[in-house]
Amino acid sequence: NAGVTQTPKFQVLKTGQSMTLQCAQDMNHNSMYWYRQDPGMGLRLIYYSASEGTTDKGEVPNGYNVSRLNKREFSLRLESAAPSQTSVYFCALKLSSSTDTQYFGPGTRLTVL
Amino acid sequence: QQQVKQSPQSLIVQKGGISIINCAYENTAFDYFPWYQQFPGKGPALLIAIRPDVSEKKEGRFTISFNKSAKQFSLHIMDSQPGDSATYFCAARDSNYQLIWGAGTKLIIKP
Repeated sequence: NAGVTQTPKFQVLKTGQSMTLQCAQDMNHNSMYWYRQDPGMGLRLIYYSASEGTTDKGEVPNGYNVSRLNKREFSLRLESAAPSQTSVYFCALKLSSSTDTQYFGPGTRLTVL
Repeated sequence: QQQVKQSPQSLIVQKGGISIINCAYENTAFDYFPWYQQFPGKGPALLIAIRPDVSEKKEGRFTISFNKSAKQFSLHIMDSQPGDSATYFCAARDSNYQLIWGAGTKLIIKP
């Protein structure tokens, strides 16, 4: 039982390159989230998905796309990476609808040169 | 309106002391206030949470104090230990059921 897995753990890109960050869960929860974490700025929501096949924009969606093709996986795509997208990216699940407790993956550290 | 302001940005406390982290908000529609703890290289994990109809919640050495009229809430860590060294985030749930996060506090407990 891995909970939430994120791949890759680290990635270095050049400006303009594209890549997809993968998130997979084995906890059978509907709601999934993508956050970015930057020093002094806390966690900022990029996109979320309330259920399979649905996605919604969060606070900072520009430059990103997401895909929720099944309940288990939620991917985040950078089509043309920019240095401003250098960050640590976390995928999370909502464990409880009554409290919005979120369970986080281990993160992906992305550097865009 | 949607912000949660957290202070201090960093905090150094002696082992055995009390660590206090504060958060303030403006949106009175917020209805759930969790604190998350994050160790280096890990994702945040729920530590303790409170609802606005309660003024205090205690779990072991961790206590949330909530002041609804002042729109402030704080985390107190009693008898702070080196293992408590981590980054702490407060958050608040908005009317869309999304969490709005504070900027985080890096806590260092000196042995």
